[in-house]
Amino acid sequence: AQKITQTQPGMFVQEKEAVTLDCTYDTSDQSYGLFWYKQPSSGEMIFLIYQGSYDEQNATEGRYSLNFQKARKSANLVISASQLGDSAMYFCAMRDPIKAAGNKLTFGGGTRVLVKP
Amino acid sequence: DVKVTQSSRYLVKRTGEKVFLECVQDMDHENMFWYRQDPGLGLRLIYFSYDVKMKEKGDIPEGYSVSREKKERFSLILESASTNQTSMYLCASRPKWSNQPQHFGDGTRLSIL
Repeated sequence: AQKITQTQPGMFVQEKEAVTLDCTYDTSDQSYGLFWYKQPSSGEMIFLIYQGSYDEQNATEGRYSLNFQKARKSANLVISASQLGDSAMYFCAMRDPIKAAGNKLTFGGGTRVLVKP
Repeated sequence: DVKVTQSSRYLVKRTGEKVFLECVQDMDHENMFWYRQDPGLGLRLIYFSYDVKMKEKGDIPEGYSVSREKKERFSLILESASTNQTSMYLCASRPKWSNQPQHFGDGTRLSIL
């Protein structure tokens, strides 16, 4: 079974600084995908960034980048130049291998980020 | 933009009641999912569906059932609600291509008294 671990339950970050959120995963599959989602206090889940296991370059999306280290099975999210609006829960998730009957996600426990002014 | 709509934002029910949570998506997605979210546990998959009338159990299906009679609608049913089913419930949908993200509804915070 696949497993996602986020070891940081919560962290503070100073506005305008960068922050790294840790995510490690456990799978025996060669083909998989990794997602990061943001959940503000309002509750909606917002997709941030995706990394495929065969992607040679680290994914980037605006201020978000993914530090993908396949051999270490880690997919850390880096948020640059933190803003007050970045205060939220952040979830790392892994997609099942491709198969006919859908591809579900397995989520980590989440990391709560609070940005200080 | 993809729109996933959950019928209620907040819901309060009593133990033993049959509870229906409804989810509708407007993007013709094949796959739909129901999760529950509890503090420290992240999101856990209850059931998912990859086509009309097709369903598969997720990680925690006990006490729940689902219905998908139309492609756009996926219902979660608590047959006889219990207090340990008090939680936040999130619905999601996704097209069948595997690297597409799941799109989530705003969630239903369900309290069972």
